[in-house]
Amino acid sequence: KNEVEQSPQNLTAQEGEFITINCSYSVGISALHWLQQHPGGGIVSLFMLSSGKKKHGRLIATINIQEKHSSLHITASHPRDSAVYICAVRSQGAQKLVFGQGTRLTINP
Amino acid sequence: SQTIHQWPATLVQPVGSPLSLECTVEGTSNPNLYWYRQAAGRGLQLLFYSVGIGQISSEVPQNLSASRPQDRQFILSSKKLLLSDSGFYLCAWSIGTPQETQYFGPGTRLLVL
Repeated sequence: KNEVEQSPQNLTAQEGEFITINCSYSVGISALHWLQQHPGGGIVSLFMLSSGKKKHGRLIATINIQEKHSSLHITASHPRDSAVYICAVRSQGAQKLVFGQGTRLTINP
Repeated sequence: SQTIHQWPATLVQPVGSPLSLECTVEGTSNPNLYWYRQAAGRGLQLLFYSVGIGQISSEVPQNLSASRPQDRQFILSSKKLLLSDSGFYLCAWSIGTPQETQYFGPGTRLLVL
């Protein structure tokens, strides 16, 4: 079993829909990251959080430390949101990040 | 502002040939530097990270090596490429505590034939 599991693996939705991507992990962590990888391969860091909730524009990330679970939400989704969304965690005391397999999101106009 | 450069952007190499990928960071000092590989259809895998000049930690045993000859330069090398080395190689940097955000370069797409 992977340390970081994401669901769903693939998600297709219509423009305007509310999107939720989930991430579960099995180890104690010091931080969780959400990343966005565009079709060309470039990766952008969206959020880093260790508790609670963060919001940036139409993106919202939440984390529940007790349940070892995080969600990434996109409100009023748009075709330009189409990308692979990757969850990554840093174990307590570790230097490296452990990555989930990613969720491929496609938003149709 | 900080920027990270990687080159080349794409590379096609024959099996058994050597490899050198370069990553440089501008606008910051003493960054933590990382090399990742993303094989087709798979997640990111950390290959090497460095917290300072000449300090390299290897995460996965393989025929690749990394060097950090200067503070903001990180090089990924191989003496003889294997087919399984094909993938998308990403360099990243960060500053400060272990919880810091990592900033990724544009990546190098390597195809070994």
